[in-house]
Order: sequence, then structure tokens, then C-alpha cells
Amino acid sequence: AQTVTQSQPEMSVQEAETVTLSCTYDTSESNYYLFWYKQPPSRQMILVIRQEAYKQQNATENRFSVNFQKAAKSFSLKISDSQLGDTAMYFCVRANAGKSTFGDGTTLTVKP
Amino acid sequence: EPEVTQTPSHQVTQMGQEVILRCVPISNHLYFYWYRQILGQKVEFLVSFYNNEISEKSEIFDDQFSVERPDGSNFTLKIRSTKLEDSAMYFCARGLAGDLAEQFFGPGTRLTVL
Repeated sequence: AQTVTQSQPEMSVQEAETVTLSCTYDTSESNYYLFWYKQPPSRQMILVIRQEAYKQQNATENRFSVNFQKAAKSFSLKISDSQLGDTAMYFCVRANAGKSTFGDGTTLTVKP
Repeated sequence: EPEVTQTPSHQVTQMGQEVILRCVPISNHLYFYWYRQILGQKVEFLVSFYNNEISEKSEIFDDQFSVERPDGSNFTLKIRSTKLEDSAMYFCARGLAGDLAEQFFGPGTRLTVL
């Protein structure tokens, strides 16, 4: 089975600091998308950032950026200037034709 | 980005009852997906739906589940006879025409089976 691995079940960071969440994935496809989703206690699924595999440039979205290493099949999320509202579960997701595969998630706690 | 709406946001039902969860995507979307997240567990793929037919389904998607797009707009997931273990968040996702890989998720429906 093609998997998505998030090796950090839980992480914490001080408010205003920077934190990096790691993700590795497995795929035999050449064309795919990668996403980071945030799931707060409300359990809604909120898109944080996305990356097309054919693009070499790392995606950025305000305080969120990724480090996409295609050869290594690595897709980490960096959150700068962490805010209390960033506290949530973060899922790394690989989307190929037909479906998305989720990692197990990383619970991030931002401490005041 | 175009939004996906899911109704209801929370559904409570008795075991054995039928439930229908609805997803209202933008009308030009052809690709739809359902995912399930049992509390405390990972998000699991249920089924993908393209051009009014199921294109792929997981082992979870057994005979008690069905999907359809009856009016060309709403995309529904029906659970015929709910079980306690069906309690979960159900997420609908839509795909843009011609782009199978890019999926955007709705806010989810929380199903509670008593």
C-alpha cells in the first residue's frame, strides 16, 4: 500500500516561535498533489497549503511554507510566528488520481 | 477556492436507521469523494464517484453504503442500517473537472449513532 508517514504524533511550540512538521510519502505516480490540512477541535478539515509535484518551487502561504523534496519523497510544513490559533491536528495528504491518502496526523500545541 | 457545503453538520440517529448525508459542490465538478474519520483515528477513503458512477471504493464501503447524485447537484452518501461503529465524521471532497488529483474537502458531517 502506498503510505503517508508523519513521524511526530505530538509537538509543541512556544507562541511566536517556528515549528516544522515532517511528512514522508510513498508513491509510484509521477503526477500527484500534496496537501497539509489542519483539523481544530471542531473537527472541520481546513486546507493549509498545497504543492503540485511537478512544481519545484516550494509553496508558501503567509506564515506557512513547505520544504518539498521530491526525490526524497519528503514534504515538511514550517509554521513561522506560531499563534495560539494554530493549535490543531495537522494531516499530511497525498492525492493521486482517484483518492487522497492521509497520514496519521501530528497534534500541534502552541503554548502561550 | 470554490466551496463544498455539507448538510447536516451534525446528525444523530438510532442504530438500524437509515441516514443520508449530503454534499453540495459547485455544479461543474465531476469528481466527488467520501472519507470517514472515526474519533481518534485516521481519515479513511470510502469511495470516489465520477460521471455518475463509482470509480473506486474501499473495503469499508460495503453493501450498507451507497452514493448517488440524484438531481445533478447534491451528492449523497446513504447508510442503510446504521451501526454504532458508523459514528464518525464524514467528509465530502470535490475534484475539479479534468484534475483527478486535486481534492478539496467540505467541513464534514458528524454522525452519531446511538
